[in-house]
Amino acid sequence: DVKVTQSSRYLVKRTGEKVFLECVQDMDHENMFWYRQDPGLGLRLIYFSYDVKMKEKGDIPEGYSVSREKKERFSLILESASTNQTSMYLCASSSPAGGRGYTFGSGTRLTVV
Amino acid sequence: QKEVEQNSGPLSVPEGAIASLNCTYSDRGSQSFFWYRQYSGKSPELIMFIYSNGDKEDGRFTAQLNKASQYVSLLIRDSQPSDSATYLCAVKEGSARQLTFGSGTQLTVLP
Repeated sequence: DVKVTQSSRYLVKRTGEKVFLECVQDMDHENMFWYRQDPGLGLRLIYFSYDVKMKEKGDIPEGYSVSREKKERFSLILESASTNQTSMYLCASSSPAGGRGYTFGSGTRLTVV
Repeated sequence: QKEVEQNSGPLSVPEGAIASLNCTYSDRGSQSFFWYRQYSGKSPELIMFIYSNGDKEDGRFTAQLNKASQYVSLLIRDSQPSDSATYLCAVKEGSARQLTFGSGTQLTVLP
């Protein structure tokens, strides 16, 4: 089974801090994704990557950046955390064709105070 | 804007009943369809996927796809309290790498 591991389950950060969320997958998947999930708004795509050093903006990239230096690792960066970035962040990976959908990590609940 | 619509619920069914969850999508180019289950505080887990028109059964779960009507559904037979969760419908357009998710339907199975 594909394992997608997110480094932190819960994080509390201060407004203005730079925040790194890490995600590692162990099945050699080309595609990796970052979503945030908020009540009433569902899952919203922030960024995704289909290869090392390749990235594409999703629906809500503002205030975020990403890094993919190695195939197995995809990082989400909040350059200057704000309270409206308090959310559940979910990482996922999939094979190139994505025919079997995503495998999700366990999520990181980020609170910005 | 590609859209995936689900009734947000909540949907309540008695234990042992059939739960029916529905999803419509706007993009006629959609090729792959997925149902995820998400327990409160947990991440989504894949329970079914379907590509072709018709029904696909896996244990107590049946996914139904009608591309002409742009409609996909999930039936859960003999519902159990452990099926209580939010069910997310997701759709993949043929050439896209990413899925588009609905906002989910909250299901409660009453003992």
